[in-house]
Amino acid sequence: DAGVIQSPRHEVTEMGQEVTLRCKPISGHNSLFWYRQTMMRGLELLIYFNNNVPIDDSGMPEDRFSAKMPNASFSTLKIQPSEPRDSAVYFCASSNFGDLDRRNQPQHFGDGTRLSIL
Amino acid sequence: SQQGEEDPQALSIQEGENATMNCSYKTSINNLQWYRQNSGRGLVHLILIRSNEREKHSGRLRVTLDTSKKSSSLLITASRAADTASYFCATALEMNRDDKIIFGKGTRLHILP
Repeated sequence: DAGVIQSPRHEVTEMGQEVTLRCKPISGHNSLFWYRQTMMRGLELLIYFNNNVPIDDSGMPEDRFSAKMPNASFSTLKIQPSEPRDSAVYFCASSNFGDLDRRNQPQHFGDGTRLSIL
Repeated sequence: SQQGEEDPQALSIQEGENATMNCSYKTSINNLQWYRQNSGRGLVHLILIRSNEREKHSGRLRVTLDTSKKSSSLLITASRAADTASYFCATALEMNRDDKIIFGKGTRLHILP
């Protein structure tokens, strides 16, 4: 089975440039999560989609960050304009949320995009 | 401070020994999960324990949950070099009706040959 697929694996760009990170969740999963991981702050939830609809974007740092999920098999996280403090590893994860009695099923993570903003 | 905090932050043990990591949290939970992260890779789910459970086993892993103390422990028995990784606990808040979980900052485990 294919797991969660993220691209690119590495991105190096200059500040001010637009960055787009991509994620393909596991087929059949209906929840998708974008996380950011840094040494200082650990793993932070940025945004969470369920059935392609954004449910909670309270973790999105500021208006420079945006995320979309146009269909069940694809999501993007965009940073425009990028800044050096956005340097981190960005993870996408997916899971299958059944109902309240079966919520919080295991999340399946991609291998992340290591982003460096110079 | 965070909802979930692992202790210790780092742990080095000899191969073959048992490794114990702890997680404390502040707000009542629906369930607690443990994940492993190898260097340069994404997190991998290990085990989920619900608030009405006290102990679960999976292979060499044993997880306990004490809701009265708001704490959990992960025990890895007979450690191997391949167990070297970071281990994270993640909590699902009882008050939430969605699918979010909150991760701690992890314990870095190093198995010495």
